[in-house]
This record gives sequence, C-alpha cells and structure tokens, in this order.
Amino acid sequence: GEDVEQSLFLSVREGDSSVINCTYTDSSSTYLYWYKQEPGAGLQLLTYIFSNMDMKQDQRLTVLLNKKDKHLSLRIADTQTGDSAIYFCGGSYIPTFGRGTSLIVHP
Amino acid sequence: ETGVTQTPRHLVMGMTNKKSLKCEQHLGHNAMYWYKQSAKKPLELMFVYSLEERVENNSVPSRFSPECPNSSHLFLHLHTLQPEDSALYLCASSQRGGSGNTIYFGEGSWLTVV
Repeated sequence: GEDVEQSLFLSVREGDSSVINCTYTDSSSTYLYWYKQEPGAGLQLLTYIFSNMDMKQDQRLTVLLNKKDKHLSLRIADTQTGDSAIYFCGGSYIPTFGRGTSLIVHP
Repeated sequence: ETGVTQTPRHLVMGMTNKKSLKCEQHLGHNAMYWYKQSAKKPLELMFVYSLEERVENNSVPSRFSPECPNSSHLFLHLHTLQPEDSALYLCASSQRGGSGNTIYFGEGSWLTVV
C-alpha cells in the first residue's frame, strides 16, 4: 500500500466546514504537514503539527493528530471558494505524499 | 524572488530528444528533491540529494538522470523519454537535520513527451 492515504475527493458547500483525513505509515516524523496545491502550481505549506501534539489551531484551520492510529486530519472552518485545491499530508522524516484530496467548494 | 525556482515551466519534447530541467533554491537549504506528479497517481519522490548524498527511488527509470552540482542547484536530465513520462515535475528543498524538515516546493515544470 501507499505510505500516505487520503480520500481523493471532497465536495462541500461554501460556508460549511471541510474535514480532510489522512492515514500514514511512517511514525518517525517529528512534524506532520498539510500542503495545498492550487491549479497549475506547486505545493505550498499550509500548516503543520508537532508529533507530540494532539491538536493545533491556526485561524480557520484545525489539525488533529491521532498518533496511535496514525491518523491526521485537517478541518477548514467556513470553507470558501478560494479553498478549492488539492490538499496533501506528509511527514518530515521521509517526505512522501499520497495522491492528495481534491477539495471542491461550491456556492 | 521565490524560494525555489524551476525552469522551464513548460517543455514539449520528442521521444528521441535530450533535455534538462533546472531547479535553483535561494533558501540556504541542504537537501533538494525531484518529485513527479501524474494524474490519478500519488506524488512520487524520485530523487533526494541531502548533504551531498544521493538517495533514489529504485522504480525511477534510468532515462531520468539527476545532477546536483552544489547545494543550490539541481538538474533532471531527460533522454529517450516515453509518452507516459508526461507529467508535472516538482523540485523541492528543505533543511534536513534538527527536528524539522519542512519541504518547500517550486512551481513545477510541465513536461509533455510527444
């Protein structure tokens, strides 16, 4: 299987919350990251969480980490059309990523 | 000036051509990476240069050849490619060592093999 697994698509209505989930296999990463990729562009760092934390809040973004289950999630509150992009999770030790989750925000 | 710069942004090449992709990082990092992004496939880590050591994904065909002359520059030499090699090639850099390894990506080079 892949080192990082995410669901491929998520569709939400503007103003709703979005939750993007990720499971990973490598447990040696000190940090876990979320990246955002807009059409035609590279990946941009969105937020990160230190591996000994359970939760991190960063304005509209909330990252939850369940280290026991190797599960990471990204919640976007009040999702806007500008949030439409592909979201990737990844670790710091071995920088591998999955297929990403395409977030589609519709009015 | 962006942290990681890739050229060219778009490249069309025939299967018998030889071309190169170039990447330059202005962040003072000690590691650089090549990734391949194809539709409906995971982002694939192709090569890593870290502290002058090269790590490669064994599944990458030999028609892709990386070169890292110094810590700021990375090339991907392409020869006798196949149409299935058409993809977005992303360069990235990071500062390895310590507790973090945040990856910074370039905008990518779109490659079309005809």
